[in-house]
Amino acid sequence: EIVLTQSPATLSLSPGERATLSCRASQSVSTSLAWYQQKPGQAPRLLIYDASNRATGIPARFSGSGSGTDFSLTISSLEPEDFAVYYCQQHNDWQITFGQGTRLEIK
Amino acid sequence: EVQLVESGGGLVQPGGSLRLSCSASGFAFSTFAMHWVRQAPGKGLEYVSGIVSHGRNSFYADSVKGRFTISRDNSLNTLYLQMSSLRAEDTAIYFCVRVLAGYYYYMGVWGKGTTVTVSS
Repeated sequence: EIVLTQSPATLSLSPGERATLSCRASQSVSTSLAWYQQKPGQAPRLLIYDASNRATGIPARFSGSGSGTDFSLTISSLEPEDFAVYYCQQHNDWQITFGQGTRLEIK
Repeated sequence: EVQLVESGGGLVQPGGSLRLSCSASGFAFSTFAMHWVRQAPGKGLEYVSGIVSHGRNSFYADSVKGRFTISRDNSLNTLYLQMSSLRAEDTAIYFCVRVLAGYYYYMGVWGKGTTVTVSS
């Protein structure tokens, strides 16, 4: 099973700042990686797929990068509604796993 | 509007069984792979199971293999998860998920979830 490790566990920033979240895979997943945002009491929402493609309706301030084992989600300038938990997810054929999440909180 | 509505959750004793349903609308259900993803209280997301569009192939996380069975009825636009030999660690919100169009593995549309509690 491919393990995804997200860092940091918690990130404290202020609105307007730049956020960079990391996801590291235990073995190469090529670019088969997605990012999700989850707010309290809500279902997750797909942000990024294939490592760098924004899903429909996702603002341009969200961007993804990386390949192989190291990936990043960047939010260029934080808006109040961006404070949430973020998860990465990989697929290796039908073996799907999620990272443990990064909580992005208001400083 | 694409909608996924889960039902069937509830309180069940350890060792018991439960069947979850997910009613889909607003899209061509028979052409999309579907998944179940769960989230234990205060924890992260855990993949549970998936099934291809025609229903002949299904996949499971090791934690549920042999205990859970995923199925679908394309004539009813409904996805199912039959859960048996339930354990306390199966307690979670169970989300029904439709894949992103053109893909098998990215979770494009999520239901609101149904809560399963396994406790005596």
